[in-house]
Amino acid sequence: GEDVEQSLFLSVREGDSSVINCTYTDSSSTYLYWYKQEPGAGLQLLTYIFSNMDMKQDQRLTVLLNKKDKHLSLRIADTQTGDSAIYFCAVDSWGKLQFGAGTQVVVTP
Amino acid sequence: DSGVTQTPKHLITATGQRVTLRCSPRSGDLSVYWYQQSLDQGLQFLIHYYNGEERAKGNILERFSAQQFPDLHSELNLSSLELGDSALYFCASSTTSGGDTQYFGPGTRLTVL
Repeated sequence: GEDVEQSLFLSVREGDSSVINCTYTDSSSTYLYWYKQEPGAGLQLLTYIFSNMDMKQDQRLTVLLNKKDKHLSLRIADTQTGDSAIYFCAVDSWGKLQFGAGTQVVVTP
Repeated sequence: DSGVTQTPKHLITATGQRVTLRCSPRSGDLSVYWYQQSLDQGLQFLIHYYNGEERAKGNILERFSAQQFPDLHSELNLSSLELGDSALYFCASSTTSGGDTQYFGPGTRLTVL
């Protein structure tokens, strides 16, 4: 199977950290991605991690990968109102991307 | 701005009609991918072209077809449209034949009435 699962909703207070989790089944994935979609907009590539890495940090974003458990997470530090959006986890499966259903992140003041 | 362009941005048409969606990849990218985003199915991979040749097919209906031209732009043709075809259609591009980062265009929102 090539399922990708995410929790559907996350509410976070401005200034706190957000953690979005994702599990997947395809162990052959070489790249794993996080995309952001704002209302009425397209998919913006936020960050990605190669399958032989455990962690990747990019400014406020930290990606953690646990290959044994097939678990991927995205941490957003100091969450801002502009971070309100839907976040998609995607795994590469023989050149095509398998997406999760998306996690809607709502940032409250 | 990802560098991937899609036209038109919005398309409203009637059931039974045919439409063509257009995508221009980032400069230097040889692969083009098409995805459909709908409320009930989420984001689904449709088809992948690399340097003019079809590389992979996903959940693409027989009423849908695509091609990639020598200048590397791609078109997705949707025919005999049904209400359920209403969705956001994304094009993405990447440098190689697969397994590298895909950059997405802004999408074409198709409404079938």
